[in-house]
Amino acid sequence: GAVVSQHPSRVICKSGTSVKIECRSLDFQATTMFWYRQFPKQSLMLMATSNEGSKATYEQGVEKDKFLINHASLTLSTLTVTSAHPEDSSFYICSATWGSNQPQHFGDGTRLSIL
Amino acid sequence: QQQVKQSPQSLIVQKGGIPIINCAYENTAFDYFPWYQQFPGKGPALLIAIRPDVSEKKEGRFTISFNKSAKQFSLHIMDSQPGDSATYFCAASMNSGNTPLVFGKGTRLSVIA
Repeated sequence: GAVVSQHPSRVICKSGTSVKIECRSLDFQATTMFWYRQFPKQSLMLMATSNEGSKATYEQGVEKDKFLINHASLTLSTLTVTSAHPEDSSFYICSATWGSNQPQHFGDGTRLSIL
Repeated sequence: QQQVKQSPQSLIVQKGGIPIINCAYENTAFDYFPWYQQFPGKGPALLIAIRPDVSEKKEGRFTISFNKSAKQFSLHIMDSQPGDSATYFCAASMNSGNTPLVFGKGTRLSVIA
């Protein structure tokens, strides 16, 4: 149980393109989803916290106009990287939970490469 | 400011050995301490987690030891296998689930046959 699916797993696109990444909880209703960014051989850095039906809360230094997060339903959150540039190339990972005192379960990540 | 400090950065053990990974935290409001295992190109998978009301928790070959007064916790992997080779992250949060996790920097474990 507690499966989180992330799509696509890999994206390669040109600079200036906007990219949408989907995060779905397959067998539970996710009241809260989180988006992380991970550079090679580094730890996960929280980008934003997303509650269903509410605006996402962004961490300091994360541009909300650059990284658009939508959590329109209890099973789906999306991250859109707008006008992506090479420095946005990274591994983006989402996690989801169904409430307090419940663990976070992670998707398998999206490898974004901007040429 | 790093709120969760993890060591060592990398670790090599022989098959059957018991690697130990240590973490220390600063924020006494943390009350949930999970460990995640991550293979290359994959997302982290929850291994085991502990709360401050117990000093040890065991699940299969994985054991967490927790020292509340020292604000430290560690992961022990019994009878380690080559398939355990991965990066391990400790983390901490307040009220688990719907609050963000603060991750350690990770430990790259290699188990050699």
